[in-house]
Amino acid sequence: EAGVTQFPSHSVIEKGQTVTLRCDPISGHDNLYWYRRVMGKEIKFLLHFVKESKQDESGMPNNRFLAERTGGTYSTLKVQPAELEDSGVYFCASSPTIGSLNTNYGYTFGSGTRLTVV
Amino acid sequence: AQSVTQLDSQVPVFEEAPVELRCNYSSSVSVYLFWYVQYPNQGLQLLLKYLSGSTLVKGINGFEAEFNKSQTSFHLRKPSVHISDTAEYFCAARWGSSYKLIFGSGTRLLVRP
Repeated sequence: EAGVTQFPSHSVIEKGQTVTLRCDPISGHDNLYWYRRVMGKEIKFLLHFVKESKQDESGMPNNRFLAERTGGTYSTLKVQPAELEDSGVYFCASSPTIGSLNTNYGYTFGSGTRLTVV
Repeated sequence: AQSVTQLDSQVPVFEEAPVELRCNYSSSVSVYLFWYVQYPNQGLQLLLKYLSGSTLVKGINGFEAEFNKSQTSFHLRKPSVHISDTAEYFCAARWGSSYKLIFGSGTRLLVRP
């Protein structure tokens, strides 16, 4: 099966600009997650979608970040306006529903988008 | 709050030597544990996971980890490392019905010839 796809792989933007990251989960995975790793720190949870609904967005740093998941398929994470501290690697992951026959209680991660704000 | 701790930020080791990467977590109640690896310029790849049952878990590439409930540890081990094992390793956990993964800060394994 195809994995989790993220693009772009790298993005360099100026402070104040807008950037949109995209994630295509594994087909059939209801759960989609966004995580972020700021330079040298741990990977931190941003939010969780179940299909098209936001289940948990407790990790979103502020209202400059907007995540959507159109029709419960792919997801976008928009940063507007970008600030220097937004630089880091943004990971997307997906998983089937816990309790479903195919679940392994784990996640499949994408390769990440490295965002640099200058 | 739940947490995962990886005390070693970097572990240098010679090729063919054994290695242990340490991971401790905050609570053993209903915990599910994972080790992920990130090779240079790649994404996170699942190495192994503990869900229940046997406390010794074997993963890919010859790695294994042991779930120690009393010491709240889930250390990753490999008896003989290769240059190709050079990467960053992340311990992660989730608890109960929560979908949220909590990660440690990562350990860079540097294998030298």
